[in-house]
Amino acid sequence: DSGVTQTPKHLITATGQRVTLRCSPRSGDLSVYWYQQSLDQGLQFLIQYYNGEERAKGNILERFSAQQFPDLHSELNLSSLELGDSALYFCASSVEGVSGVYGYTFGSGTRLTVV
Amino acid sequence: GQNIDQPTEMTATEGAIVQINCTYQTSGFNGLFWYQQHAGEAPTFLSYNVLDGLEEKGRFSSFLSRSKGYSYLLLKELQMKDSASYLCAMPTGDFQKLVFGTGTRLLVSP
Repeated sequence: DSGVTQTPKHLITATGQRVTLRCSPRSGDLSVYWYQQSLDQGLQFLIQYYNGEERAKGNILERFSAQQFPDLHSELNLSSLELGDSALYFCASSVEGVSGVYGYTFGSGTRLTVV
Repeated sequence: GQNIDQPTEMTATEGAIVQINCTYQTSGFNGLFWYQQHAGEAPTFLSYNVLDGLEEKGRFSSFLSRSKGYSYLLLKELQMKDSASYLCAMPTGDFQKLVFGTGTRLLVSP
């Protein structure tokens, strides 16, 4: 157990629907990062939060949004889902920015299947 | 910004040695990470290099040359469980988010 908890592990939903993915960072970590990994693709950075505030945005679609709550857990909301949104979604956490020695700690991911 | 290149796929035999290369172009260097990722699982940290040279850690070693924009991961005494993707990544931007290469899929055969 890495200490980063993601729920649910698997999600199957229909096109046009909306889903929420949840991430609880490792205890003491203030930064949360979301990544998308499509089949046979690399990890694509979506968005970063630090202590409740958005820090950096990647190529995140307008249909996607995220937030980090006062208890530091984060949610990634995906709406108007399309088949192409099917992917593994990873959350990672760190104390602040990238820890120079250990990088991030990743959660086990949520596998989203849009049918 | 950054551009990170890795070979897409490599094959090797159990017990052998394999070298996975990563070349990069960056406007500012703040270290280079290697992660291992088994299919459908989370990436796990392997190594971090910020200075030139070789860092050895058991069967895995990582090398960095900042002047050449080049790193490699060396895996010795390959085992079947080493079949996985190996991701090269670098921190970027003001808040040092990690940008990943597309990864190298390593297949170890008996």
